[in-house]
Amino acid sequence: QLQLQETGPGLVKPSETLSLICKVSGGSISGSSYNWGWIRQSPGKGLEWIGSMSQSGTTYYNPSLRSRFIISVDTSKNQVSLKVTSVTAADAAVYHCTTFEHDTSQFKHWGRGTLVSVSS
Amino acid sequence: NFMLTQPHSVSESPGKTVTISCTRSSGSIADNYVQWYQQRPGSVPTTVIYEDNHRPSGVPDRFSGYIDSSSNSASLIISEVKTEDEAVYYCQSFDSSNAVFGGGTQLSVL
Repeated sequence: QLQLQETGPGLVKPSETLSLICKVSGGSISGSSYNWGWIRQSPGKGLEWIGSMSQSGTTYYNPSLRSRFIISVDTSKNQVSLKVTSVTAADAAVYHCTTFEHDTSQFKHWGRGTLVSVSS
Repeated sequence: NFMLTQPHSVSESPGKTVTISCTRSSGSIADNYVQWYQQRPGSVPTTVIYEDNHRPSGVPDRFSGYIDSSSNSASLIISEVKTEDEAVYYCQSFDSSNAVFGGGTQLSVL
């Protein structure tokens, strides 16, 4: 069974760049047909789709977030990355790594998430 | 971009049927598939309905999905509701290649 494990710094300062890693186990990124991406959830709030990358390398981003978020995939390490530039307090959230399955139009696998706090 | 609007909370007694709505603000609800996710406290979301009305294996047939073009909304219907169904339910659809989530509905089973 595919498993996703996110890691991150926990705490970042405003205006800094946040880097998150999602390690994939139980399957290979390059051997799958999923899109790989990120969804965040602010404390006590709902789900916000950040974006995803397809097997062809095409990236899709939430139009309201696009300019500060970068998703990449490293097939040699079997991991997915997210970089967020110019972080603000509004970026404090639990960040989940996810797979998107085209055949069923669903976000099929979710990591448990990594909590990011923003404070100076 | 469109928005998906859900009621903040609903409540029902065990054994009854509950319906959670998800209204699309612009464009047709039938234009793009709707998914429903259940998130229990302390857990990650899991799919209960995909592509409008399909249940993943393992999801009880008490869960069903429905699209109503006349009200431009999708509905999640849970029959014979149980205390274990208490959770936040999110609808989700697509705007071109972008995923859009509703704000979530807290289901209380009292």
